[in-house]
Formats: sequence, C-alpha cells, structure tokens
Amino acid sequence: AQSVTQLDSHVSVSEGTPVLLRCNYSSSYSPSLFWYVQHPNKGLQLLLKYTSAATLVKGINGFEAEFKKSETSFHLTKPSAHMSDAAEYFCVVSDRGDDKIIFGKGTRLHILP
Amino acid sequence: DAGITQSPRHKVTETGTPVTLRCHQTENHRYMYWYRQDPGHGLRLIHYSYGVKDTDKGEVSDGYSVSRSKTEDFLLTLESATSSQTSVYFCAISESPAGGTDTQYFGPGTRLTVL
Repeated sequence: AQSVTQLDSHVSVSEGTPVLLRCNYSSSYSPSLFWYVQHPNKGLQLLLKYTSAATLVKGINGFEAEFKKSETSFHLTKPSAHMSDAAEYFCVVSDRGDDKIIFGKGTRLHILP
Repeated sequence: DAGITQSPRHKVTETGTPVTLRCHQTENHRYMYWYRQDPGHGLRLIHYSYGVKDTDKGEVSDGYSVSRSKTEDFLLTLESATSSQTSVYFCAISESPAGGTDTQYFGPGTRLTVL
C-alpha cells in the first residue's frame, strides 16, 4: 500500500533564504510523485512531477525536487524564497499498481519579510 | 489553466437538505474526480468517474453519490447533508487514470457549509 508523509505542517523562512519542504513516501511499485501548490482560496496547481526519468526534477517558479529511492524521499526545494511563495504545498504519490493517488496532509509555507 | 468550472462556488445549507455540486470541463478528459479538503487531512477522494455512466467509490464515499451523463459534467450529490460534510470540495480531471504518470487538473473549489 502506498502512503505519503509530509514531515512539517508549517514552515517559516525569511524572504531570500532557501526553502525545504520534506516529503517521505512508501510505495509497493514504481511511484510517480508530484508536488502541488495551493494559494489561499484557490485550486491546486502542479509544481512538478517525477515519473521515473531524471531524479532531479525542475518545476515552475524556481522549485525543484529530488527523488531519492534509498531514502524514500521527494523533498521540495527553492534556493531563494519570495513572498509570493506563501501557500500550502501538497506532496502526492501515485502508484501504478494501485490505481489511486494519495495526498499528503500539506505543509503551509510562511514567508517572513 | 485547464477548463474546469465548479458551481456553486459557495453554498450554505441546513442539515438534512439535499445538495448537488456540479463540475464542468471543456478538456474532453475521460477521468473526473471529486475530493474534499479538510484541515489536517489534505485532499481525500470521494468518488471518481472513468467514463460516461462509469463511476467508482473513493476513500470517503459514505453519504455521497455521483452521476456522469455527459463527458463534460460530473455531479456530486449529498442526499441529506450533515454538519460533518462541511468542507471545501474540489473537482479534478485527467486524461488517464490515477495511479499513472498523468497530472490531475483541479477546479477552483466549492465551499460548502452545513448548519
């Protein structure tokens, strides 16, 4: 069975400093992994996805994530935070053997001026 | 942005009344999904559809029913709304089934309050 754990429910960083949002997963098969972002009162937007090609995935707005199979992790990073990055971020695992996708509980990112 | 609309966007209703939420897409995607979003739970799948008249249950389907009579429309019905169904409801679409590599595209959400 698949599952996904976002290790922090809230993360606060200062503008201009690096962002790290942590995600661990479990999957019985070859997973696809996604990060979605949700700005206040908006729907979810895809940031990036891993589908068994390159392990370092680049997404929109300067975000990237690295798939590490040995650590079962898919952490999201950005070198320099911007005020517009303040939002909730969801890590999602999709398992071809299970025909379902599972959302993490979300990490709310706060950007301090 | 994918062409997905949800209606209504906000609704307040009373316990015991029926409620229907509509999701409409212009992308001609085969798969459509209804999720609910609650604080501390992320998004949880209620029901999904893999074609016209073809639907299946998700993780939290009790108290909900769905129908899909046209490719573009997916309706979610609460037969008798309860306060525990107060939530934000999201519709999503995809070209291929969940469990693969395809991206799901989300609508703007419907905020439902059951008093």
